[in-house]
Amino acid sequence: GNSVTQMEGPVTLSEEAFLTINCTYTATGYPSLFWYVQYPGEGLQLLLKATKADDKGSNKGFEATYRKETTSFHLEKGSVQVSDSAVYFCALSEWVDSSYKLIFGSGTRLLVRP
Amino acid sequence: DTEVTQTPKHLVMGMTNKKSLKCEQHMGHRAMYWYKQKAKKPPELMFVYSYEKLSINESVPSRFSPECPNSSLLNLHLHALQPEDSALYLCASSQETGLGDTQYFGPGTRLTVL
Repeated sequence: GNSVTQMEGPVTLSEEAFLTINCTYTATGYPSLFWYVQYPGEGLQLLLKATKADDKGSNKGFEATYRKETTSFHLEKGSVQVSDSAVYFCALSEWVDSSYKLIFGSGTRLLVRP
Repeated sequence: DTEVTQTPKHLVMGMTNKKSLKCEQHMGHRAMYWYKQKAKKPPELMFVYSYEKLSINESVPSRFSPECPNSSLLNLHLHALQPEDSALYLCASSQETGLGDTQYFGPGTRLTVL
């Protein structure tokens, strides 16, 4: 079946450092790809998404490009803030029965120190 | 408005109790989801409703019983739960269950089973 693999966390950075969180996927067909963020004690929020190869999703300074040739969707940000501390989930959509469902990676915890 | 609301925020119940979790959205979405999230793990899909009909049941034990009274509401009825059912229960909704449809998550109900 389809799957998503994320880099192990936690990732600890100083404020204003460059962030990369790796995400690779295995899928048949052409899934849509998503990054969700979960702040402590909260639900998940969509951060960005891409629906076809070479699409770049971006939001709040975060970016990710859908790379079909490397089956990757790495999350990047040029300068992280303490407020970016959260858990980040990469996900893809998979067709099951009569619906698409999200397949999540294991999540990567980011801790940004002042 | 991209808000999904869930009540209650916290719930503590004994193994013989019956309780319900509630979820509401007013975005006109026709798909709604229940997820279970254990600590430091990604969300696991439990149920999907599409146009008020159950379209996916991920082999969830019968002690969890979903209900979709109308297109804005989703309930999860709980009965005879086990301590291992303690988790964060997340509701989500999306426009439909299409490939690129974004799922919007509520803040969750933190359930503790004693």
